[in-house]
Amino acid sequence: GDSVTQTEGLVTLTEGLPVKLNCTYQTAYSDVAFFWYVQHLNEAPKLLLRSSTDNKRTEHQGFHATLHKSSSSFHLQKSSVQLSDSALYFCASNYGNEKITFGAGTKLTIKP
Amino acid sequence: GPKVLQIPSHQIIDMGQMVTLNCDPVSNHLYFYWYKQILGQQMEFLVNFYNGKVMEKSKLFKDQFSVERPDGSYFTLKIQPTALEDSAVYFCASSYGTGDDEQYFGPGTRLTVL
Repeated sequence: GDSVTQTEGLVTLTEGLPVKLNCTYQTAYSDVAFFWYVQHLNEAPKLLLRSSTDNKRTEHQGFHATLHKSSSSFHLQKSSVQLSDSALYFCASNYGNEKITFGAGTKLTIKP
Repeated sequence: GPKVLQIPSHQIIDMGQMVTLNCDPVSNHLYFYWYKQILGQQMEFLVNFYNGKVMEKSKLFKDQFSVERPDGSYFTLKIQPTALEDSAVYFCASSYGTGDDEQYFGPGTRLTVL
């Protein structure tokens, strides 16, 4: 069935270091959109990035991701993390319909 | 930016009681959703709603659950009767369209069933 997989449950980094949060997916659909949502403690999830175009880099707030259909991936990266980046990050897809399927989430903790 | 409001922010009830969660979606949005998130875990889709009808629901959307949006007011999720496993944070979302249109999420209602 359709799924979104995030391999890291917890990531702890020192401020200023780069980060890469992995997201892979499995689907039979060809026309799908992928998202990264960020959820700070006790807040609503907010859209960080989205893409439906193969091999096109999307960027927002210092984060970037590229959808690679050849490897079924949509990894999230940032070159230098900040304390305020500490949050829960969800990779998600709409799989051609209106609902969003979320990955399990990666909790990113940034230390000074 | 556009905001989705949810009322109440917290609700504590006894098992077996009825509860109604309220969502005030973005004003010009046409599609409405409910998601369930157990503490620290991923959000899971419950149901979506368009033009006065449920379009799709997941296995988590039990028979005890119902949704409606009477007269374009609040989009509601009713659980009757509640069970212990219904304890979670329930997020409402809305979008103007589908596909890769952004879904805007509310701050959630934390439901505790005792």
